Amino acid sequence: AQSVAQPEDQVNVAEGNPLTVKCTYSVSGNPYLFWYVQYPNRGLQFLLKYITGDNLVKGSYGFEAEFNKSQTSFHLKKPSALVSDSALYFCAVRVVNTGGFKTIFGAGTRLFVKA
Amino acid sequence: DADVTQTPRNRITKTGKRIMLECSQTKGHDRMYWYRQDPGLGLRLIYYSFDVKDINKGEISDGYSVSRQAQAKFSLSLESAIPNQTALYFCATSVGNSYNEQFFGPGTRLTVL
Repeated sequence: AQSVAQPEDQVNVAEGNPLTVKCTYSVSGNPYLFWYVQYPNRGLQFLLKYITGDNLVKGSYGFEAEFNKSQTSFHLKKPSALVSDSALYFCAVRVVNTGGFKTIFGAGTRLFVKA
Repeated sequence: DADVTQTPRNRITKTGKRIMLECSQTKGHDRMYWYRQDPGLGLRLIYYSFDVKDINKGEISDGYSVSRQAQAKFSLSLESAIPNQTALYFCATSVGNSYNEQFFGPGTRLTVL
């Protein structure tokens, strides 16, 4: 079965420290990879995506993610965390086939940045 | 994102009642989606539509129906609500190709008693 795993329910980091939110996937073919962020009482907002090319992609608010094909991972990173980064983060994997495409979301990881 | 709006934002209803959730978008996108979010489960796709004449079931369509009244409007109906449909519901839009990101509405919190 195709799946997306975010192994940590919550990540705690001090402000100013680097942060990593992990995502691994198990799908067939070459998927498109996305990260979204959800702030309280808001819908998901797009952060970044990997389609092809350079394995390191940069996105909004200073976030970046590294695609690792051999490890089937797409971890979200930021060199210096801010308190305002505290939110719920979702990894999503889009699988394309002849019948269309399907987006699979991870369960989400709550990031807490302490001042 | 103000370009994708959902009404109502909150709704409490009783088992057996018919409920309609509405979504409107001003982004001009052709593709629209309905998801539900449950704690610890992420988002699961209920229905999606690639244009006005195209409606497709997602992974959890049982108990739900949809209507694409216009390119900008996509409604989700619960014909006879049950308590396990209590969840946060999101509408989303995207344009064109399969590698484009989705834009989400603010969500509707539905409680079925």
